[in-house]
Amino acid sequence: DSGVTQTPKHLITATGQRVTLRCSPRSGDLSVYWYQQSLDQGLQFLIQYYNGEERAKGNILERFSAQQFPDLHSELNLSSLELGDSALYFCASSVATARVETQYFGPGTRLLVL
Amino acid sequence: DAKTTQPNSMESNEEEPVHLPCNHSTISGTDYIHWYRQLPSQGPEYVIHGLTSNVNNRMASLAIAEDRKSSTLILHRATLRDAAVYYCILRDAGSQGNLIFGKGTKLSVKP
Repeated sequence: DSGVTQTPKHLITATGQRVTLRCSPRSGDLSVYWYQQSLDQGLQFLIQYYNGEERAKGNILERFSAQQFPDLHSELNLSSLELGDSALYFCASSVATARVETQYFGPGTRLLVL
Repeated sequence: DAKTTQPNSMESNEEEPVHLPCNHSTISGTDYIHWYRQLPSQGPEYVIHGLTSNVNNRMASLAIAEDRKSSTLILHRATLRDAAVYYCILRDAGSQGNLIFGKGTKLSVKP
């Protein structure tokens, strides 16, 4: 158990819909990262927040957005969903942002868009 | 971040050592070498990291070549639970905190 929790574990929805994925980082961790894992693209970084502020962006679509709340939990919002958005979405956390810091990953949310 | 090259897959027998190679010929002097693994149906997990010297922890050892252009993750006695995809990742001074995953090496462990 990494100490990072993600809800829900599974999500099935239809094209065009909007969903929200939630992540609670390990106690004391200020950084939250979101990653997407699909069969054809592998694990890809989406976005990072540090202590409530956006710190870095990766290959995140404009239809996707995220935020980190004062209690440090984070939400990833996916809107106007397409079939290709079906993937595993992982959240990870670390104490800060230094390049040697370990990232702890949650169990993921499996999204299926029909 | 500099690029890494790993074999797509490897096989091992249970209770035997496993050496997982990683080439990173364009590594810079300040790049750290990290290894993560992803067990089936789970999120990635940290294994080990190093800069220049060999490193050991309870999970594995990391052997880094003298010129740092390659490294090897060593599992001393593979168990069935070690079957996973292993990712070798470089993290440079200029990068943000995010990890850049390649395709990794899928390790199969035979009983």
